[in-house]
Amino acid sequence: EIVMTQSPPTLSVSPGERATLSCRASQSVSSNLAWYQQKPGQAPRLLIYGASTRATGIPARFSGSGSGTEFTLTISSLQSEDFAVYYCQQYNNWPPLTFGGGTKVEIK
Amino acid sequence: EVQLLESGGGLAQPGGSLRLSCAASGFTFNTYAMTWVRQAPGQGLEWVSAISGGGDSTYYADSVKGRFTISRDNSKNTLYLQMNSLRAEDTAVYYCARDLSWPTNWGQGTLVTVSS
Repeated sequence: EIVMTQSPPTLSVSPGERATLSCRASQSVSSNLAWYQQKPGQAPRLLIYGASTRATGIPARFSGSGSGTEFTLTISSLQSEDFAVYYCQQYNNWPPLTFGGGTKVEIK
Repeated sequence: EVQLLESGGGLAQPGGSLRLSCAASGFTFNTYAMTWVRQAPGQGLEWVSAISGGGDSTYYADSVKGRFTISRDNSKNTLYLQMNSLRAEDTAVYYCARDLSWPTNWGQGTLVTVSS
């Protein structure tokens, strides 16, 4: 099973600033990586798949990069609605699909 | 608009059973694989099970294999998760989602609590 590790667990950022979230896989997942956003009391929302392709309706301030074992989700200028928990997920070797533990982006 | 509506959650005793349902609309149900993902209180996301569009292929996490059964009724546009031999560690919100590799659309979830 591929283990996904996200860092940092919590990221404190001021509105308008840039946020950089990291995700590491225990072995190569090529570009078979997705990112999700989850707000309290809500279901996860798909942001990125294929490591860098934005899902339908996702604003351009969200971007993904990386391949192999190292991945990054960047939010270029944080808006109030972006404060949430973000999860990465690999789908290169499954079952099982595996998720990272999440990064909480909070207001500084 | 894609809509997924889970139901069937509730309180179950350890060793008991529950059947979750997920009613789908807004897309051609039988052409999409479907997935169940769960989230224990205050915890992260855990993939549980998936099924192909035709229902002929099913996949399970080791933590539920032999206890849970995923199925679908394409005539009713409905996905199911039969959960038997429930354990306290199965307590979670259960989400159904469309697609397999990167679940695209998610329901709002249904809470399953396993406790005596």
